[in-house]
Amino acid sequence: DAGVIQSPRHEVTEMGQEVTLRCKPISGHDYLFWYRQTMMRGLELLIYFNNNVPIDDSGMPEDRFSAKMPNASFSTLKIQPSEPRDSAVYFCASSFAVQGASGYTFGSGTRLTVV
Amino acid sequence: TQLLEQSPQFLSIQEGENLTVYCNSSSVFSSLQWYRQEPGEGPVLLVTVVTGGEVKKLKRLTFQFGDARKDSSLHITAAQPGDTGLYLCAGAPPGTYKYIFGTGTRLKVLA
Repeated sequence: DAGVIQSPRHEVTEMGQEVTLRCKPISGHDYLFWYRQTMMRGLELLIYFNNNVPIDDSGMPEDRFSAKMPNASFSTLKIQPSEPRDSAVYFCASSFAVQGASGYTFGSGTRLTVV
Repeated sequence: TQLLEQSPQFLSIQEGENLTVYCNSSSVFSSLQWYRQEPGEGPVLLVTVVTGGEVKKLKRLTFQFGDARKDSSLHITAAQPGDTGLYLCAGAPPGTYKYIFGTGTRLKVLA
């Protein structure tokens, strides 16, 4: 298995532009998580899905952020409009249903820079 | 809001030394995990502990979950340069399936 695949690896965009981050989870995993990592705030959970359904989006910072999971093999995180404070590394992770036992498998992340 | 505080924040040691990293919270967690993250990559799971007082060993790494399931420690024996990285603990509050990550300990092992 190729693991969790994220694209792009790096994204530089201008303030006000729309940004879309993509994630392909591991086949068979039924939970998908989006995290954001910064030096100041560490790893923050933004939203997670179970069987393609959003379960908890309480970590999504503002209405500018939205996430979708149209099928079991694909998810997107969109920021519109983007702002410099959105600059961070965004990680996608997937997991099996059993709490705790399997842990999360993380992708390599997308480093977003908004100038 | 549950918070997981890790200490120390930074640690630089010589190869062969022992070290302990701590993960503390005022909240109870149903399970706790430890991850290691290297530059440019996502965190990689090292271990999951679920029972209060549980001790798990992974080669030179020893993990312990506190009796009250509010804290945990990671002990590394005879550290090696390959142990360098960011160590993260993550706890799942009871009744949820979302893990909250700690503040992290950045370890550097010098050859």
